Amino acid sequence: EAGVTQFPSHSVIEKGQTVTLRCDPISGHDNLYWYRRVMGKEIKFLLHFVKESKQDESGMPNNRFLAERTGGTYSTLKVQPAELEDSGVYFCASSQEKVGETQYFGPGTRLLVL
Amino acid sequence: AQSVSQHNHHVILSEAASLELGCNYSYGGTVNLFWYVQYPGQHLQLLLKYFSGDPLVKGIKGFEAEFIKSKFSFNLRKPSVQWSDTAEYFCAVRGNNRLAFGKGNQVVVIP
Repeated sequence: EAGVTQFPSHSVIEKGQTVTLRCDPISGHDNLYWYRRVMGKEIKFLLHFVKESKQDESGMPNNRFLAERTGGTYSTLKVQPAELEDSGVYFCASSQEKVGETQYFGPGTRLLVL
Repeated sequence: AQSVSQHNHHVILSEAASLELGCNYSYGGTVNLFWYVQYPGQHLQLLLKYFSGDPLVKGIKGFEAEFIKSKFSFNLRKPSVQWSDTAEYFCAVRGNNRLAFGKGNQVVVIP
């Protein structure tokens, strides 16, 4: 069974540009999560999808971040326009339908905003 | 909101030494606790978890953790580490279906 995949693995952009990160969850997992780790800090929750619906987006830093999950499959996280403080590792995780199931993480996307 | 504290962010030890990583959490609801590990160049993997029942849980690769409710702790242990245990270790607590992580412990095992 394939795990959670993320694309790209690395992205280097300039301040003010737009970047879109993609996450493909494990097949059949209705729950999809985005987390972020800024250098030197802990991994922090951004938002949670159940199928195509945003269940909880209270962790999104500001309105420059937009997450979507079309058709309840893969998800994208767009940052527009990117700022220096957006640099970090963005993790995606997925879990099965039952609330409380283990979250399985992808490899992360390393974003560097110059 | 839930939170997790991990201390001794950098740990260096020799092979065969024992390892214990501390984790203290804060959360008022039903506690689900996790230890994840990230080996160099790899993604976060689940090491072990506690939902209920026996407070001493055993995970992969010889790791175990003990949930002590009165101390709000979930410390990770391994009696004898190997070079391949070099990794970053994260404690996490789940609340409201989201995970809250500690800052992680960077563990380096010297051969």
